[in-house]
Amino acid sequence: DIQMTQSPSILSASVGDRVTLTCRASQSIAGWLAWYQQKPGKAPKLLIYKASTLEAGVPSRFSGSGSGTEFTLTINSLQPADFATYYCQQYSTYSYSFGQGTKLEI
Amino acid sequence: QVQLVQSGAEVRKPGASVRVSCKTSGYNFLTNGFNWVRQAPGQGLEWMGWINTYSGNTKSAQKLQDRLTLTTDTSTSTAYMDLRSLRSDDTAFYFCARDSNWGTFDFWGQGTLVTVSS
Repeated sequence: DIQMTQSPSILSASVGDRVTLTCRASQSIAGWLAWYQQKPGKAPKLLIYKASTLEAGVPSRFSGSGSGTEFTLTINSLQPADFATYYCQQYSTYSYSFGQGTKLEI
Repeated sequence: QVQLVQSGAEVRKPGASVRVSCKTSGYNFLTNGFNWVRQAPGQGLEWMGWINTYSGNTKSAQKLQDRLTLTTDTSTSTAYMDLRSLRSDDTAFYFCARDSNWGTFDFWGQGTLVTVSS
């Protein structure tokens, strides 16, 4: 199975900051990577798929990049609504797998 | 609009089984597969399995494949997750998530808390 590792586990930032979250795969997944945002008590929300394609309705301050084994999620000009936990997910092969998450806190 | 509505919270004793349902509306049920994802309290997301709503084919995480059964009822546009031989570490929120047909999860149910306790 493919292992996904996110860093950092916790990231402290302020409104208006630019932040970058990292996700690494244990083997190449080409560009088959998605990012999700989850707020407490809620289901995750799809933000980005195919490493860099923004899901409809997601603000343009979110962007993704990477391929192979190294991927990043960048959020420009953090807004209060962006403080949440972010998960990456590989869908290159079954079993699909998630990273352990990065909690973005104020 | 696409909606996925899950059944309510369940409490089971170790060794018992549980069924969680996920009723859909707002789209053609047969055009998208379903994934099931669980999340232990305060922990990360764990993919459990996938079902093709048209063919009934399934894929499961290796650690769960002996205990997990995924099914659908196309007449009611509902997906089901059955987990048997429950253990305390199966205590979690269980989510259904529609597959975009590319492997991403574009719509989610609200989650169902399953508590396993003696």
